[in-house]
Amino acid sequence: DSGVTQTPKHLITATGQRVTLRCSPRSGDLSVYWYQQSLDQGLQFLIQYYNGEERAKGNILERFSAQQFPDLHSELNLSSLELGDSALYFCASSVANDPGGRDTEAFFGQGTRLTVV
Amino acid sequence: AQSVTQLDSQVPVFEEAPVELRCNYSSSVSVYLFWYVQYPNQGLQLLLKYLSGSTLVESINGFEAEFNKSQTSFHLRKPSVHISDTAEYFCAVRSGGYQKVTFGTGTKLQVIP
Repeated sequence: DSGVTQTPKHLITATGQRVTLRCSPRSGDLSVYWYQQSLDQGLQFLIQYYNGEERAKGNILERFSAQQFPDLHSELNLSSLELGDSALYFCASSVANDPGGRDTEAFFGQGTRLTVV
Repeated sequence: AQSVTQLDSQVPVFEEAPVELRCNYSSSVSVYLFWYVQYPNQGLQLLLKYLSGSTLVESINGFEAEFNKSQTSFHLRKPSVHISDTAEYFCAVRSGGYQKVTFGTGTKLQVIP
């Protein structure tokens, strides 16, 4: 158990709909990352938050957005869903993200499997 | 910019045989390097990491990886694989500071009885 909790574990929804994926990081971790894993694209970095602020952005579509709340949990919002958005969405957290670069490995949740039908 | 290349998408190997999973990276600054493992229907777990110091790093389950700066490689090796090593392995790189972690496309290790 990595200590990172993602809910729900599975989600089935129709095209055009909107869903929210939730992530609770490990206790004490300030950084949260979101990744998308699909068969054709592999593991793609979406976005990173550190202590409530957006820190880095990857291949995140405009239809997707995320935020990190004061209690450090994070939500990934996916809207106007398309069939191609079906994937495994991972959240990861890490201890720190300081200027000394001492932020090292990330701890991954079990993922949310999103199926768009 | 940083990137990671895992040349082999699948590696079949017989049980108790040695294996090497290749990883090459590119980065303009000093890096941290990681290997993660993903067992079926599970999230990624850190296997081992290179931050600084000795270029040879080991995991608790017999894997090792060597950081080779001149060849920009961080290959993962195990002298004798077990059925339970069947999984997908991801190499990842992170440059110092606020840079995100970049993952390779993964290598599926299939251990054959």
